[in-house]
Amino acid sequence: NAGVTQTPKFRILKIGQSMTLQCTQDMNHNYMYWYRQDPGMGLKLIYYSVGAGITDKGEVPNGYNVSRSTTEDFPLRLELAAPSQTSVYFCATLQGEYGYTFGSGTRLTVV
Amino acid sequence: AQSVTQPDIHITVSEGASLELRCNYSYGATPYLFWYVQSPGQGLQLLLKYFSGDTLVQGIKGFEAEFKRSQSSFNLRKPSVHWSDAAEYFCAFVFSGGYNKLIFGAGTRLAVHP
Repeated sequence: NAGVTQTPKFRILKIGQSMTLQCTQDMNHNYMYWYRQDPGMGLKLIYYSVGAGITDKGEVPNGYNVSRSTTEDFPLRLELAAPSQTSVYFCATLQGEYGYTFGSGTRLTVV
Repeated sequence: AQSVTQPDIHITVSEGASLELRCNYSYGATPYLFWYVQSPGQGLQLLLKYFSGDTLVQGIKGFEAEFKRSQSSFNLRKPSVHWSDAAEYFCAFVFSGGYNKLIFGAGTRLAVHP
């Protein structure tokens, strides 16, 4: 039981490049979330999903896209990376009575 | 709009001293409240949570928090801080009808002097 797995752990992108941050869970949780963490700002919700095939925007969705074709996977896509997307990204799942499980994060730098 | 505020960005305490981290929320009803801790370079660990009932909640690592409806607050306390408590602490809440989305405060960074 691996919980929530995020890959890669670190990545450096050049401005304008694209990439996908992977999030996989083996707990069969329906609810999944993507957050970004910036210094002094806490965690801001980017996108969330309540089940396979259902996604919706959070507080800061601009510049990102998601898909949820399976219960297990919730990838976050960055198109045309910008320096403002330099951040630490966390994926999380929810089970039962507000039992959130967070991944270990992906540290992304856009230069 | 629903929000959570942590008024203190940085706090420094001496080892062995008591600690109180403040958290205020803005919501028309009682939300579900959480405190998380993040050590440098690490993910988030749940310290405690409050849903209803007894307003004093005990958590892990000797932490406790008290919900005060009249003040819309959920302050985190520890009677005696250890050097290993140095970390960033986040208050968060979930409100009904919000698809269980966690809303986080900006965090309080705790430094512990020996």
